[in-house]
Amino acid sequence: EDQVTQSPEALRLQEGESSSLNCSYTVSGLRGLFWYRQDPGKGPEFLFTLYSAGEEKEKERLKATLTKKESFLHITAPKPEDSATYLCAVQASGSARQLTFGSGTQLTVLP
Amino acid sequence: SAVISQKPSRDICQRGTSLTIQCQVDSQVTMMFWYRQQPGQSLTLIATANQGSEATYESGFVIDKFPISRPNLTFSTLTVSNMSPEDSSIYLCSVEDGSGLAGGRPRATGELFFGEGSRLTVL
Repeated sequence: EDQVTQSPEALRLQEGESSSLNCSYTVSGLRGLFWYRQDPGKGPEFLFTLYSAGEEKEKERLKATLTKKESFLHITAPKPEDSATYLCAVQASGSARQLTFGSGTQLTVLP
Repeated sequence: SAVISQKPSRDICQRGTSLTIQCQVDSQVTMMFWYRQQPGQSLTLIATANQGSEATYESGFVIDKFPISRPNLTFSTLTVSNMSPEDSSIYLCSVEDGSGLAGGRPRATGELFFGEGSRLTVL
């Protein structure tokens, strides 16, 4: 059974204080790992797809990296508008379309 | 990208009643997905709605409890039947980004667009 574990559950940072969110996964052949951002009262918003170990993707202050067992979402010099819940999901190579989501990390960036 | 509208955005329901959630997409899509997000938990796929055929349900979800309609390529409904407090949740409609190639390999179909969700509270 595919599993995704995200840590920490919640993270509070001062504005400008860089940090990383972790997504550990177990999957029978990785087809893709996905990062989403979810603001309160909204649906998740797609951020990145990573396909293979060693791959990196960047978008503004966010950088996602992937190893064979986990993915990190690095946040450099965060701003209060980066406050959100960040969700990680995996798709196994044997599954048609089903994603397995983690429970998310709730990030709060204080001004 | 796709713009997805869901109705209602929230509702408070009585035990034993049913509620239908509507999902409208601004473009034609092959598949629409219905997810549930229970408080403090991850998103769980309920079913995949295909136009012109019956929905495909995931383990733990059945058609009698969550009937789905897909009358055309831009619209779907999810009904939560005979509700109990355990059905209190956010229900999300989603569609895939367009298919294609990324870096020479088939793009994984996990790049989803989500509606804003329907928050149901069952008393």
